[in-house]
Amino acid sequence: QVQLVQSGAEVKKPGASVKVSCKASGYTFSTYAMHWVRQAPGQRLEWMGWINAGNGNTQYSQKFQGRVTITRDTSANTAHMELSSLRSEDAAVYYCARASNSQWLARDIFDYWGQGTLVTVSS
Amino acid sequence: DIQMTQSPSAMSASVGDRVTITCRASQGISNYLVWFQQKPGKVPKRLIYAAFILQSGVPSRFSGSGSGTEFTLTISSLQPEDFATYYCLQHNNYPWTFGQGTKVEIK
Repeated sequence: QVQLVQSGAEVKKPGASVKVSCKASGYTFSTYAMHWVRQAPGQRLEWMGWINAGNGNTQYSQKFQGRVTITRDTSANTAHMELSSLRSEDAAVYYCARASNSQWLARDIFDYWGQGTLVTVSS
Repeated sequence: DIQMTQSPSAMSASVGDRVTITCRASQGISNYLVWFQQKPGKVPKRLIYAAFILQSGVPSRFSGSGSGTEFTLTISSLQPEDFATYYCLQHNNYPWTFGQGTKVEIK
């Protein structure tokens, strides 16, 4: 069965970076995309960006451009999301979610999610 | 960016009620819309994709409709386990965007 298992909670100081991992199993990692979504306390879900796990191409939300980097390691079936220059507003639960590489293939859009990683930003 | 606006933002309903949640897109998104259910402290769960296709394993009391800019999620007979927050997502254009959520509470 498909599983996405994320790395554990992080506590970071303002200005630092955080890297969250998402290990996939139960499907062919390189034939899908991995997206990252975050949710601040009491807020809506917010899309951050995605990576084509096959060719490594990425696309980011303009809001996070320059601060977010999504990578993947196909040998480990793992995607990573690194967010730099952290500020208090970045405190949130970060999720990875699977999708097809084509945004038009609705069947596979966010059908599986990681369990979430809580990132706390505090001095 | 496409803005997704849900209405209402919150509602109170009783078990057995018919509930309808609306999601409006600021521009046409064809049927590239997904509905999720999220309970406190839990991961979002996909209910509907392609605006109207029921996710396998989701009870048939959930249904979706709409195309273009206006979409609805209907729960035909609200059950105790349905009290949650519901989100829509458009994936027609990048950046993908979510609605602000509709919290369904017990009356």
